[in-house]
Amino acid sequence: GENVGLHLPTLSVQEGDNSIINCAYSNSASDYFIWYKQESGKGPQFIIDIRSNMDKRQGQRVTVLLNKTVKHLSLQIAATQPGDSAVYFCAEGITYNTDKLIFGTGTRLQVFP
Amino acid sequence: DGGITQSPKYLFRKEGQNVTLSCEQNLNHDAMYWYRQDPGQGLRLIYYSQIVNDFQKGDIAEGYSVSREKKESFPLTVTSAQKNPTAFYLCASSPTGTRYTDTQYFGPGTRLTVL
Repeated sequence: GENVGLHLPTLSVQEGDNSIINCAYSNSASDYFIWYKQESGKGPQFIIDIRSNMDKRQGQRVTVLLNKTVKHLSLQIAATQPGDSAVYFCAEGITYNTDKLIFGTGTRLQVFP
Repeated sequence: DGGITQSPKYLFRKEGQNVTLSCEQNLNHDAMYWYRQDPGQGLRLIYYSQIVNDFQKGDIAEGYSVSREKKESFPLTVTSAQKNPTAFYLCASSPTGTRYTDTQYFGPGTRLTVL
């Protein structure tokens, strides 16, 4: 959709395969991270979050991995389905700080049969 | 989208006009936010409010104004002073305004186009 970026990096996967979407965050002081999913023409939908005292968190079909050493976050989607097609972006923040959430530009996931 | 509604979904404005975008939430959240989304960019914060009758400027507040008279409502006015208002506008809310990095939940968005 026109509101979520025309030149985003794209990940194409076959239905049933696992997907890995990556995010490099900017602030080493960030201690809270969120993954959102945004379908065309819609608002972002919360998927999963993780705090810096963890390096892995699992949800339903999704896993988030956090590597603070290299400031890297990844979202793994198991058994990718056509309904997973969307733009995925990460957000970082600092608890108890007036800094705001900083949002990445996103990755477009395309799932083909 | 949860309990956050935005209206209208599409809005067209002539140059020189002010327009107001509506955002309502029934989640009993203390904090509310307005973001702007442009192609190829991350969300940018316009204004936020941590509590009723209080709000703060975000990174790109120029040309915008807000009010927070009720907990459930946070309308955004795009004024004629905003030089490039065509964008997708997203409203969000979070449970508490005291911990700014609480999870934010988004509304469905309003697409504003200046003719």
